[in-house]
Amino acid sequence: QSALTQPASVSGSPGQSITISCTGTSSDVGGYNYVSWYQQHPGKAPKLMIYDVSTRPSGVSNRFSGSKSGNTASLTISGLQAEDEADYYCSSYGGSTLEVFGGGTRLTVV
Amino acid sequence: QLQLQESGPGLVKPSETLSLTCTVYGGSISSSAYYWGWIRQPPGKGLEWIGSIYYSGTTHYNTSLKSRVMMSVDTSRNQFSLKLNSVTAADTAVYYCARPITTSGYQYWGQGTLVTVSS
Repeated sequence: QSALTQPASVSGSPGQSITISCTGTSSDVGGYNYVSWYQQHPGKAPKLMIYDVSTRPSGVSNRFSGSKSGNTASLTISGLQAEDEADYYCSSYGGSTLEVFGGGTRLTVV
Repeated sequence: QLQLQESGPGLVKPSETLSLTCTVYGGSISSSAYYWGWIRQPPGKGLEWIGSIYYSGTTHYNTSLKSRVMMSVDTSRNQFSLKLNSVTAADTAVYYCARPITTSGYQYWGQGTLVTVSS
């Protein structure tokens, strides 16, 4: 059960859009529509931003959107704001082992 | 509002067993069809799924930890627990308990508890 692959870091300016990729295999990301994305600020528990590939939980800004193509899922944040600076993790249902996380991406808003 | 809270020793000696409990407030652990999960995060590193348990006791574990992990549930106390045996320094991490919003996607998290493995 290998971790999903994410870029270590991405950056963007306020108001811009950025996309974070999450690459898995046909046994996880590509095989199920159960990809989730989490935002984590330092010292805090992760916060669910997207589930089931593209669904936002109640209260999450519509600036956050998710998609998937083949074995790669993506999180797009539009209209970047300073408070979006955080670590982002993807995860996917992985069959019998249920869940696998990505290595995480640090977003810097410059 | 559902709340989860981890409890247990913050320091465990190498080769011993790490034991944590998650208490659920604001909802019954057995009233809904969710797999309650444990996730950990070593200092400065990423998240790792440890496993999850259904209120009936059905479990699923990370294959890399399966030989050392045991989870249990106590519906009368609205709690579920994690035991990880034969711990080493590599098991030092913040341990979170969590509940998904549906099949997957952990929406409710405890605040996390740091467990350090050291003699």
